[in-house]
Amino acid sequence: DSGVTQTPKHLITATGQRVTLRCSPRSGDLSVYWYQQSLDQGLQFLIQYYNGEERAKGNILERFSAQQFPDLHSELNLSSLELGDSALYFCASSVGGGQPQHFGDGTRLSIL
Amino acid sequence: AQSVTQPDIHITVSEGASLELRCNYSYGATPYLFWYVQSPGQGLQLLLKYFSGDTLVQGIKGFEAEFKRSQSSFNLRKPSVHWSDAAEYFCAVGGTGANNLFFGTGTRLTVIP
Repeated sequence: DSGVTQTPKHLITATGQRVTLRCSPRSGDLSVYWYQQSLDQGLQFLIQYYNGEERAKGNILERFSAQQFPDLHSELNLSSLELGDSALYFCASSVGGGQPQHFGDGTRLSIL
Repeated sequence: AQSVTQPDIHITVSEGASLELRCNYSYGATPYLFWYVQSPGQGLQLLLKYFSGDTLVQGIKGFEAEFKRSQSSFNLRKPSVHWSDAAEYFCAVGGTGANNLFFGTGTRLTVIP
């Protein structure tokens, strides 16, 4: 058990919709990272927050946004969903601002 | 540009046999190197990491990896594979001050009895 909790585990929705994925980092970790894992793109870094502030940005689409709350949990918002957004979305956390240390089990998003 | 290449998409080994998974990287600075394992329906579990020092790194579950700077490689090894090792393995590279990890495309390991 990594200590990183992601909800929901599975999400099925339709094109054009908006969803919110939630992540609670491992206790004591200040950084939260979001990754997308898809068959054609592999594992791609989306964004990182450290103690509530955006720290680094990767290949995150403008339709996607994230935030980290004072209690350090994070939410990834995906809007105007397209079929290609179907993927496994991972959250990871670490104590500091460097590389992610602990990964959650992911949220599988299916767009119909 | 940063990249990680895992040339073997799928490897099949017999239980008890030795294993080597290949990883080559391209990184513009001193690399930090990682191996993760992903079981079906699970997240990524860190097997081992290399930051500096001894180029032979020991990890969990009996895995080890060797950093070879001259070959830009960080191959993962295990002397005797167990059926429970069947999973997908990812190599990743990052660096000092980097907040991101670049992942390879993964190698799927099948273990046959």
